[in-house]
Amino acid sequence: QVQLQESGPEQVKPSATLSLICTVSGDSITGYYWSWIRQPPGKGLEWIGYIHYSGTTRYNPSLKSRASISLDTSKNQLSLKVTSVTAADTAVYYCARLTDHGWCSYWGQGALVPVSS
Amino acid sequence: DIVMTQSPDSLAVSLGERATINCKSSQSVLYNSNNKNYLAWYQQKPGQPPKLLIYWASTRESGVPDRFSGSGSGTDFTLTISSLQAEDVAVYHCQQHLFFPYTFGQGTKVEIK
Repeated sequence: QVQLQESGPEQVKPSATLSLICTVSGDSITGYYWSWIRQPPGKGLEWIGYIHYSGTTRYNPSLKSRASISLDTSKNQLSLKVTSVTAADTAVYYCARLTDHGWCSYWGQGALVPVSS
Repeated sequence: DIVMTQSPDSLAVSLGERATINCKSSQSVLYNSNNKNYLAWYQQKPGQPPKLLIYWASTRESGVPDRFSGSGSGTDFTLTISSLQAEDVAVYHCQQHLFFPYTFGQGTKVEIK
């Protein structure tokens, strides 16, 4: 049973960098695509980007190059960094395993990250 | 970006009745090379992450009850719950996975009448 668990700060200040980790259990992160997706409170889902275990990454241009995703195969984790955050980045952040064809087959429970001073 | 528009935003259906959710994409998500529609549906219950229900527009994920069905092609798609159960109360999202950035609809909230 594949399980994903996000972890990160309880709050981030405006203009700072948001950092999240997703720990994967039940399977290796190698051989798959992994994504970060976010959902502002009461709103819809927004794709942030994805990474393949080979290192290939793609990001949503809407984040204007502020996002970066990486893998740590030794810890079976993926991470997300979003720089220069504003209140608009307040959201529940989900990590998910992506199939080769682009749908998400497994999701983490999500981590709410408020951006506030 | 491909814009996904769902209708209605919310609907209330009696237990045992049919619920129908529509999803329209701003461009066709039918890939001619394999004749597959790159459209998925998810169910999201309060306080939970989305759960995959359907991919390729009409293929049910393993373990999903057969009262859930997907149909449509090109730009117009439908998710149907044939006989609404209490546990189906949730927000339903469509997602296109042909063009990056992959995009979701705004969600449709299904409640019991």
